[in-house]
Amino acid sequence: DTEVTQTPKHLVMGMTNKKSLKCEQHMGHRAMYWYKQKAKKPPELMFVYSYEKLSINESVPSRFSPECPNSSLLNLHLHALQPEDSALYLCASSQEGVAGKNEQFFGPGTRLTVL
Amino acid sequence: GQNIDQPTEMTATEGAIVQINCTYQTSGFNGLFWYQQHAGEAPTFLSYNVLDGLEEKGRFSSFLSRSKGYSYLLLKELQMKDSASYLCAPSNDYKLSFGAGTTVTVRA
Repeated sequence: DTEVTQTPKHLVMGMTNKKSLKCEQHMGHRAMYWYKQKAKKPPELMFVYSYEKLSINESVPSRFSPECPNSSLLNLHLHALQPEDSALYLCASSQEGVAGKNEQFFGPGTRLTVL
Repeated sequence: GQNIDQPTEMTATEGAIVQINCTYQTSGFNGLFWYQQHAGEAPTFLSYNVLDGLEEKGRFSSFLSRSKGYSYLLLKELQMKDSASYLCAPSNDYKLSFGAGTTVTVRA
């Protein structure tokens, strides 16, 4: 299994909703990432988990809350989002915990729309 | 801080060669990745350069000069399916920083 899966593919939510994005990989990778990508822009790093511990938080607002229940799963909990948070949310994983030295494998993303 | 510069758009004909340049200034540097991203899809890995010089992988080659803060991606024998955005991404120990991407359009 050489892929990263993400659910759901599309999500529409109101500003008062609580929802979660899920990411899964079975490649034995020890680092996992959340990125946000707006249209015609590059991916922007949000969080890095290395060996199931949060190692980087790129000053992301607290309405985004990551969770790594085990080495294969990564969640992103969403609460009280704003319309400007609408974007493609990408999950990625890499083999080792030293993120910058390893190829990252990306999932297909969740297209989020906040109304 | 990070400063990554690559052209916004390039157009070439099927069968031709295109070179996408990337200059970077980053705090800490391990190596440089190139990713391809088709519209509406996830980025996919193309190459990773750590040492100076040219790495060749089929129709795609990537070059790095660490002292000049410069890299390029060379796409040869262009095919229609190569129409995509190409992202330059220097890395330090902890993360990649993506450039804005170069949209390559291949015309018949």
